[in-house]
Amino acid sequence: QVQLVQSGAEVKEPGASVKVSCKASGYTFIGYFIHWVRQAPGQGHEWVGWINPDSGDTNYAQRFQGRLTMTRDTSISTAYMDLSRLTSDDTAIYYCLREKDGSGSLIADYWGQGTLVTVSS
Amino acid sequence: QSVLTQPPSVSGAPGQRVTISCAGRSSNIGTGYDVQWYQQLPGTAPQLLIYRNNNRPSGVPDRFSGSKSGTSASLAITGLQAEDEGDYYCQSFDISLSAWVFGGGTKLTVL
Repeated sequence: QVQLVQSGAEVKEPGASVKVSCKASGYTFIGYFIHWVRQAPGQGHEWVGWINPDSGDTNYAQRFQGRLTMTRDTSISTAYMDLSRLTSDDTAIYYCLREKDGSGSLIADYWGQGTLVTVSS
Repeated sequence: QSVLTQPPSVSGAPGQRVTISCAGRSSNIGTGYDVQWYQQLPGTAPQLLIYRNNNRPSGVPDRFSGSKSGTSASLAITGLQAEDEGDYYCQSFDISLSAWVFGGGTKLTVL
């Protein structure tokens, strides 16, 4: 069965960076875009960006440009989200999602379990 | 502030019908982009409940249905059950933002 398993919770100081992983199983990793969204405490979900695991192409939400990097390692079917220059506003649960039908559907058919990133001094 | 607007909470007794609204704008739902609904039960990750406005993935009971009209969408749940209690989110795409957009979520309480 399809599974997306994310790395564990992180606590970071302001100005630091965090790297969250998302290991996929149960399907052909390179066949489906991986998206990342986040949910800050008491807020709705916010789209962060996507990566095409086949080509490595990425597309980031405007507000994260310059401090966000998404990568992947196809040998271990894992996607990564690296966010730098963290502030308290980045405190959130980060989810990876698989896009239904590969790409272009604009539908998330599977979600990771979420990774809590806490930014605090 | 979420791009799509949902009521913070709804409630209903077992067996009743409830609806959850999702209000968008001309740059997302109103321009023709489909709406998805996700269910997040306590302690679990969100799961796809309705896609392309009114389609259910396999395994989702037909008690759940979706609709879309103009710049808004709705999720209806009939025959409410205790295990339906959780958070429900709508999602679409916004052409102005070039981004997936979500509602703020609606907490469903089964009385």
